[in-house]
Amino acid sequence: EVQLVQSGAEVKKPGESLKISCKGSGYSFTSHWIGWVRQMPGKGLEWMGIIYPGDSDTRYSPSFQGQVTISADKSISTAYLQWSSLKASDTAMYYCARLVFILKWGMDVWGQGTTVTVSS
Amino acid sequence: EIVLTQSPGTLSLSPGERATLSCRASQSVSSSYLAWYQQKPGQAPRLLIYGASSRATAIPDRFSGSGSGTDFTLTISRLEPEDFAVYYCQQYGSGLGTFGQGTKVEIK
Repeated sequence: EVQLVQSGAEVKKPGESLKISCKGSGYSFTSHWIGWVRQMPGKGLEWMGIIYPGDSDTRYSPSFQGQVTISADKSISTAYLQWSSLKASDTAMYYCARLVFILKWGMDVWGQGTTVTVSS
Repeated sequence: EIVLTQSPGTLSLSPGERATLSCRASQSVSSSYLAWYQQKPGQAPRLLIYGASSRATAIPDRFSGSGSGTDFTLTISRLEPEDFAVYYCQQYGSGLGTFGQGTKVEIK
């Protein structure tokens, strides 16, 4: 079964750092882009950026460039999303998803989401 | 960055009725790299339509997509109780994607 499994919920204070993960299984992890999507409480979906685990080529949405870092470790089939200094406005659900070229870059498999709460 | 505008914001319909959702892009979407997703409360989004008009695996044929260029439509021919949810369109081009703000389909 193709799946993406994300790390668990996080509660952090403003200014702290954080790295959340997304582990792929059941397919060739290095052959498909992985995207990260933010959903703030009660709001819509926002495209953050994508990474190709095969060579770590990374693209960021202008809104998120410089705010987060996307990385991957292909040896353990895991992609990451990290913050160096969290803000309260980073409170959201974060999803990873697989992009598939033959599906015209549709995101066909999604992780279960990681809730990040930033509060003093 | 391509901006996607979905309308209406909320659609109030009864089971069995037809739903027509619109997604308009601020510039042409390349190669019909336009997808539609369904999201229910507490769940991750689910891919319904890719390439503007192709149904994803296991998606019922009451869901259909159409359009090209800047205007796209998702149609649900006869609403089933499980179809009441929020729907998002999404485009991809040159390594960058964007989502529409969503249309909520609610029970009238």
